[in-house]
Amino acid sequence: QVQLVQSGAEVKKPGASVKVSCKASGYTFSSNDINWVRQATGQGLEWMGWMNPNSGNTGYAQKFQGRVTMTRDTSTSTAYMELSSLRSEDTAVYYCARGNIGYCSSTSCYDYYMDVWGKGTTVTVSS
Amino acid sequence: QSVLTQPPSASGTPGQRVTISCSGSTSNIGSNPVSWYQQLPETAPKLLIYSTNQRPSGVPDRFSGSKSGTSASLAISGLQSEDEADYYCAAWDDGLNGLVFGGGTKLTVL
Repeated sequence: QVQLVQSGAEVKKPGASVKVSCKASGYTFSSNDINWVRQATGQGLEWMGWMNPNSGNTGYAQKFQGRVTMTRDTSTSTAYMELSSLRSEDTAVYYCARGNIGYCSSTSCYDYYMDVWGKGTTVTVSS
Repeated sequence: QSVLTQPPSASGTPGQRVTISCSGSTSNIGSNPVSWYQQLPETAPKLLIYSTNQRPSGVPDRFSGSKSGTSASLAISGLQSEDEADYYCAAWDDGLNGLVFGGGTKLTVL
């Protein structure tokens, strides 16, 4: 079955970096984007960006540009999200999710959604 | 605050029909299809509706989505206790060139 398996929980100090992995199985890894979404405790979902495993191209939410790097290892079907200069506000559960593009009747629309999600990785930033 | 606006809470009794709204702008909902995600307590989100009104296989037809102008809605008919969860809408935003979410609606089944 299609699944995304994420790495385990991390505890980091302010100013450090964290790298979370997401291993895909059950489908052709290069066929779909991998997105990263985070959720602070008691808060809503926040999209961080996407990475195309085939080309390595990425697109980041403005809030995270300069601090986030999304990469992949196609030999192991694994995507990575690295967040640097961590601060306490980065404490959250980080999810990877497979991206899909749907059909739009108009060339000017973009139908994008995430159909498979990992279970999440808790990242705690504390001194 | 979130780019898309949802009511923070909604409720209904078993068997009832409830709707959850999601308000956006011309750069997101007004231009692009909407997806909805269900998040049960302590679990990862799950795709509930995509392309505004399509259900993935395995999602009951009690769940339906629609859109008009810059607003979208998720309707749940025949409400069941297991529907108690947080619900999020999302759409691509052309101005931000990224995916945007609503703040989420906590659905309580009374």
